[in-house]
Amino acid sequence: TQLLEQSPQFLSIQEGENLTVYCNSSSVFSSLQWYRQEPGEGPVLLVTVVTGGEVKKLKRLTFQFGDARKDSSLHITAAQPGDTGLYLCAGAFVGLGSQGNLIFGKGTKLSVKP
Amino acid sequence: DSGVTQTPKHLITATGQRVTLRCSPRSGDLSVYWYQQSLDQGLQFLIQYYNGEERAKGNILERFSAQQFPDLHSELNLSSLELGDSALYFCASSVISPTLSHEAFFGQGTRLTVV
Repeated sequence: TQLLEQSPQFLSIQEGENLTVYCNSSSVFSSLQWYRQEPGEGPVLLVTVVTGGEVKKLKRLTFQFGDARKDSSLHITAAQPGDTGLYLCAGAFVGLGSQGNLIFGKGTKLSVKP
Repeated sequence: DSGVTQTPKHLITATGQRVTLRCSPRSGDLSVYWYQQSLDQGLQFLIQYYNGEERAKGNILERFSAQQFPDLHSELNLSSLELGDSALYFCASSVISPTLSHEAFFGQGTRLTVV
């Protein structure tokens, strides 16, 4: 079974702090996405990483793909209350049977207090 | 707005009943995915269709079925509903690129409550 583990599960911080969330698997991804979901809404795609070692920046968010393409991290600098939400990673796995479907982690619920 | 439309937004029904959830993908997207999200299970993949054909199956119960029509819209049918089927049901669509980058764009979901 292909599993994606995210940590931490919950994170509550003060405005202005930095944080990192992790996404790990024992399997190799062909690509990995990070999504942000607000309550009652569908997940919204933030970024896709494809190449091992790749780093992508989106304003205060930095996404890193592990060299072996088995793990990823999301770092937020100077968090703001507007960053509050559920952060999900999703991977498409190499090999037969992936068929294009995405496997999602359970998410990290982030709360940023003013 | 992701371009993916799901109806209805909310649905309340009794145990044992059958419901149909509808999804219209983004214009040009051939692939449609259905996901179930409950509080304790995270986002669970149910089934994927590509251009009318079933492409992949996840943890979908036998009481659930889906199909994708020639105009690419999709329906998820849930029958003999149980209390535990209460959840958010999301549809997503994507274009599968040659680089296998499967970026999914989600609808706003249907919140199903079984009473």
